[in-house]
Amino acid sequence: DQQVKQNSPSLSVQEGRISILNCDYTNSMFDYFLWYKKYPAEGPTFLISISSIKDKNEDGRFTVFLNKSAKHLSLHIVPSQPGDSAVYFCAASATSGTYKYIFGTGTRLKVLA
Amino acid sequence: ETGVTQSPTHLIKTRGQQVTLRCSSQSGHNTVSWYQQALGQGPQFIFQYYREEENGRGNFPPRFSGLQFPNYSSELNVNALELDDSALYLCASSLDRGHEQFFGPGTRLTVL
Repeated sequence: DQQVKQNSPSLSVQEGRISILNCDYTNSMFDYFLWYKKYPAEGPTFLISISSIKDKNEDGRFTVFLNKSAKHLSLHIVPSQPGDSAVYFCAASATSGTYKYIFGTGTRLKVLA
Repeated sequence: ETGVTQSPTHLIKTRGQQVTLRCSSQSGHNTVSWYQQALGQGPQFIFQYYREEENGRGNFPPRFSGLQFPNYSSELNVNALELDDSALYLCASSLDRGHEQFFGPGTRLTVL
């Protein structure tokens, strides 16, 4: 049972435009969400996070939106740059107990120059 | 400040063998989590160690075991290797089980 789903395996966006990456989850106990970026031959790099007490968190070009009723979060990258081309993973955790993170399967973003 | 390092980078084993993977956490971090990432999948949580104690485990059989040392480095041991154990093994460190985890580059394990 995939508790965290990224239904788009890939996304192509023109440089300068907005990239929107989506993530859905099924477990209502999840209360903390993170986005990671992964380049080939490297480990994932933390990008941005959001707690369930918020519905938006912004850090520079990156904004994460959380819709708890729909169990949906999205990552917006504006403006997109060629260096943003990578695989993006969303991850969720229920902070009661262990900090066990459930990752989605990833979305490969390609930003075209 | 040194980042998370893992060794070896690549490893080839045969079915039934045992393997030990190593991870050095980022300076000052006392929590290490291990993940298995199969091809085309996201990382799957194996277990977490906090101050040398196991602090949670994912859905992996007991032949996956771990250890954390007083310097907070960690080992992942896998016994009786199976073909499906072929994957990228990632470790991530954090401070006090914090949310922001810093990942190493991973160890690519191939089981033949």
